[in-house]
Amino acid sequence: DVKVTQSSRYLVKRTGEKVFLECVQDMDHENMFWYRQDPGLGLRLIYFSYDVKMKEKGDIPEGYSVSREKKERFSLILESASTNQTSMYLCASSPRASGRAREQFFGPGTRLTVL
Amino acid sequence: AQSVTQLDSQVPVFEEAPVELRCNYSSSVSVYLFWYVQYPNQGLQLLLKYLSGSTLVKGINGFEAEFNKSQTSFHLRKPSVHISDTAEYFCAVSDNTGFQKLVFGTGTRLLVSP
Repeated sequence: DVKVTQSSRYLVKRTGEKVFLECVQDMDHENMFWYRQDPGLGLRLIYFSYDVKMKEKGDIPEGYSVSREKKERFSLILESASTNQTSMYLCASSPRASGRAREQFFGPGTRLTVL
Repeated sequence: AQSVTQLDSQVPVFEEAPVELRCNYSSSVSVYLFWYVQYPNQGLQLLLKYLSGSTLVKGINGFEAEFNKSQTSFHLRKPSVHISDTAEYFCAVSDNTGFQKLVFGTGTRLLVSP
């Protein structure tokens, strides 16, 4: 069974802290994505990666960075957390090859609260 | 640029009634279309997808959707809903170029009551 796991389901941090959100997939997928989900706004793409050490900005990259040192792991970093980064963060992965083209597999999400 | 519009933020319906969740998209190129479901406190799960071929697509849990190119729509339907269908539903579009990014709508919350 395909699986995307995220390091924490719930996280509470203080303003100014450096925050790491970890995502691991066991499907040998090339593509990985980080989204944030907010009520009334749907899912918005923060960053994505199509290969190890490669990254591309999504629609809302400000205040975030990412790291992909291994194929199976994609980390989202909040360098200095702010209250407006309180949100649900979802990680996803997808294969590069067609056949199951463009389907993304999602993790359970991390609900981050910044106080 | 692509975009997805889900006009209904919330759809209340009684158990065993039919339901339609609306999705309209805009894109200047050929698209792939998806419906995802999110149950409470969970990630997103794929319901169905349109890549090519037949415009009527069947998915899991008795859902189906119809791709209408002239109306740029991809509405989701189920003839008889269950309490367990209560969830948030997201429509998404991907073009056939680039890095396989998805653009999501804002979601529709389906509330099924007895």
